[in-house]
Amino acid sequence: AQSVTQPDIHITVSEGASLELRCNYSYGATPYLFWYVQSPGQGLQLLLKYFSGDTLVQGIKGFEAEFKRSQSSFNLRKPSVHWSDAAEYFCAVRGKAAGNKLTFGGGTRVLVKP
Amino acid sequence: GAVVSQHPSWVICKSGTSVKIECRSLDFQATTMFWYRQFPKQSLMLMATSNEGSKATYEQGVEKDKFLINHASLTLSTLTVTSAHPEDSSFYICSATRGQNQPQHFGDGTRLSIL
Repeated sequence: AQSVTQPDIHITVSEGASLELRCNYSYGATPYLFWYVQSPGQGLQLLLKYFSGDTLVQGIKGFEAEFKRSQSSFNLRKPSVHWSDAAEYFCAVRGKAAGNKLTFGGGTRVLVKP
Repeated sequence: GAVVSQHPSWVICKSGTSVKIECRSLDFQATTMFWYRQFPKQSLMLMATSNEGSKATYEQGVEKDKFLINHASLTLSTLTVTSAHPEDSSFYICSATRGQNQPQHFGDGTRLSIL
């Protein structure tokens, strides 16, 4: 069975500072990997995805993520955060043979200090 | 784009009533739609997978008779919470996907409060 772990429940970062959110997955092969962002009371917005190819993936809103097979990780980064980046971030995986079903991590809440 | 609209965004109703939530893909045809439930400060829990024209596939522990899902067209799926009780209060989110290797696009969710 596939699983996703986001080790950090909360992260507080100063505006303008860099941000890195950790995501580790467990799966027998290389799954499809996703990062979503959720603002309070809203649905999820896709930031970026990795299916294959270049392991450094660029997404929207200045985010990027790097797939590291050896570490089973797909960490999300942003060089300089903005106050509007305060939200909940979810890493998700989908097995290639699992239909389209996603398995989500527990989420990381990002707080941005002025 | 890939826009998914969910309606209503917020509903309050009395215990014992049934509530219907709609999920529409506005600018694409969704072969598959998903329904999730999210408790406060928790992750999303998949309730069921819905394919157009066929019965929904429910996850273990989700009551089929309690949460009725209909996917009558490639752009619309509905979730009906039957005989709702306070413990059914939650945030319900739908998502839709174009096909097998396509990402899911999410609606803005429905906050359901049962009094």
